[in-house]
Amino acid sequence: TAGITQAPTSQILAAGRSMTLRCTQDMRHNAMYWYRQDLGLGLRLIHYSNTAGTTGKGEVPDGYSVSRANTDDFPLTLASAVPSQTSVYFCASSDRTGKDTGELFFGEGSRLTVL
Amino acid sequence: GQNIDQPTEMTATEGAIVQINCTYQTSGFNGLFWYQQHAGEAPTFLSYNVLDGLEEKGRFSSFLSRSKGYSYLLLKELQMKDSASYLCAVMDSNYQLIWGAGTKLIIKP
Repeated sequence: TAGITQAPTSQILAAGRSMTLRCTQDMRHNAMYWYRQDLGLGLRLIHYSNTAGTTGKGEVPDGYSVSRANTDDFPLTLASAVPSQTSVYFCASSDRTGKDTGELFFGEGSRLTVL
Repeated sequence: GQNIDQPTEMTATEGAIVQINCTYQTSGFNGLFWYQQHAGEAPTFLSYNVLDGLEEKGRFSSFLSRSKGYSYLLLKELQMKDSASYLCAVMDSNYQLIWGAGTKLIIKP
């Protein structure tokens, strides 16, 4: 059972370069999310998508963009990476949204280091 | 602002019981979640509380008091594999999840 797959699992990137983190789910979930996790802080939402074709900004969207062309894929792009974007990035999905949002299913994470 | 508070780290002994507390101040409340995260791995869902009271699921139980803005996760018969971080998250009035920084639980033999 694949669930949610993220790629790459780890990447070192020079500042100023662009990077796309890939996320694919095979559960046909409507909602998908991108979080970053930093030491000492809770998970912070970057962008989300409640259904294919729509996206929304989370708590920390600056410097990131997303697209949701279909149900399964939700890539996260850093147009011009900066060292403060060094973090572990988690993609997640859920089958319901709004007040009915239930369990989130997470990918294994992508560790990004920007030098 | 919105805030979720959990202890940073706790230590317990194998076979014992441990209670991890979570207090929250959020704009509205639409449920509280607990997730487990082993080091270097993805968070996995443990429990969901939306009404006051205790929800029991095997060795794990979760309690909620909405009037006090308080929850706890109770782990019984601790095993070494329970060494992990435990994340508390609250869904606010906009149905957004607000996450605590997590409690790192260390289990000693």
